[in-house]
Amino acid sequence: DQQVKQNSPSLSVQEGRISILNCDYTNSMFDYFLWYKKYPAEGPTFLISISSIKDKNEDGRFTVFLNKSAKHLSLHIVPSQPGDSAVYFCAASATDSWGKLQFGAGTQVVVTP
Amino acid sequence: DSGVTQTPKHLITATGQRVTLRCSPRSGDLSVYWYQQSLDQGLQFLIQYYNGEERAKGNILERFSAQQFPDLHSELNLSSLELGDSALYFCASSVQGALTGELFFGEGSRLTVL
Repeated sequence: DQQVKQNSPSLSVQEGRISILNCDYTNSMFDYFLWYKKYPAEGPTFLISISSIKDKNEDGRFTVFLNKSAKHLSLHIVPSQPGDSAVYFCAASATDSWGKLQFGAGTQVVVTP
Repeated sequence: DSGVTQTPKHLITATGQRVTLRCSPRSGDLSVYWYQQSLDQGLQFLIQYYNGEERAKGNILERFSAQQFPDLHSELNLSSLELGDSALYFCASSVQGALTGELFFGEGSRLTVL
């Protein structure tokens, strides 16, 4: 039962343009959402998070938007840079889940010059 | 460098065998999590320990077991291995048991079962 879904396995974007990554979830108990970035041969690293009491969180070039009614979140990267080429995982958890994260399958982002 | 250390990085073994994966969390982190990533899939939560006690369990097979020792390092034991157990196994750690921030992941142990 995939409770977190990233329906786009890959995304190609030009350097300097906006990258938009999407994520949908089905469990209404989820109240904390995170994005992780993963380079080959490395573990995932935390990028940005958002609590369900907010609808937007910004950190530099990265902004996460949360639409609770649609059970949808998105990650915007502006402007995209070559170093952003990586796999991005969306993850979610519920308050009583003791930190157990449910991950999406990931989106491979390729930023081209 | 996340501060989480996993050994071995690569492991090749045969079906029916047993392996142990080891994880040392970041200094000060009490929680350890194990995740499995099979080909082209997201990370699947296996199990979590907090200060030596099992705290949460995911879709962990009965052939798999884990423990966290007094020094807070953790081991994941995989037995009666099958071809489908080939995957990347990640360990992660965090300060607290409940999620208040991000998890810090190790580089993973790649298991290949032949």
